[in-house]
Amino acid sequence: LAKTTQPISMDSYEGQEVNITCSHNNIATNDYITWYQQFPSQGPRFIIQGYKTKVTNEVASLFIPADRKSSTLSLPRVSLSDTAVYYCLVGGPNTGNQFYFGTGTSLTVIP
Amino acid sequence: NAGVTQTPKFQVLKTGQSMTLQCAQDMNHEYMSWYRQDPGMGLRLIHYSVGAGITDQGEVPNGYNVSRSTTEDFPLRLLSAAPSQTSVYFCASRPTRDTDTQYFGPGTRLTVL
Repeated sequence: LAKTTQPISMDSYEGQEVNITCSHNNIATNDYITWYQQFPSQGPRFIIQGYKTKVTNEVASLFIPADRKSSTLSLPRVSLSDTAVYYCLVGGPNTGNQFYFGTGTSLTVIP
Repeated sequence: NAGVTQTPKFQVLKTGQSMTLQCAQDMNHEYMSWYRQDPGMGLRLIHYSVGAGITDQGEVPNGYNVSRSTTEDFPLRLLSAAPSQTSVYFCASRPTRDTDTQYFGPGTRLTVL
């Protein structure tokens, strides 16, 4: 399984942009990068997915450099409701349908 | 659609007891999986299935059994519960394609005394 490394925790003030970086040095050619969000006492929820360069949706942006050994989730203008744990996953056809969640990054948004 | 449903929400067992955690999805997804999440940790894959009649082991399969007789249901069985199995269990499903996202259930909080 392609494992990932993320910061354990981050704090941010409301209204700021938050960037969470994930390292995945052993990413395989066919692997995709997926980010999930998890609130306390709930299952994870899909945020965004990408393969290379930049992907943007209504919730976040995902930046992936050319070597794909890392990725950055960008949350614009965070609010208190963005306080959650964010997981970076790497997987695809070569991981046999298995995806490694890691410990995630606990984001706390401060008023 | 109800999405992914799990029952029960909470369960307390004594060491050695057996039980089945239920998981169902109504999205006609081929892929289903079970994860456990211990306090302060990420999710770890227990077992998964790529279709009816097909199951395989994940990262932490010991102490758990699964079966997949229908596309909709993927129950997780604990044959002899141990305190080390105290955890929150999440079921997830997704369509067949590797790039498809997983949809998670609300979880079952299990305590083994």
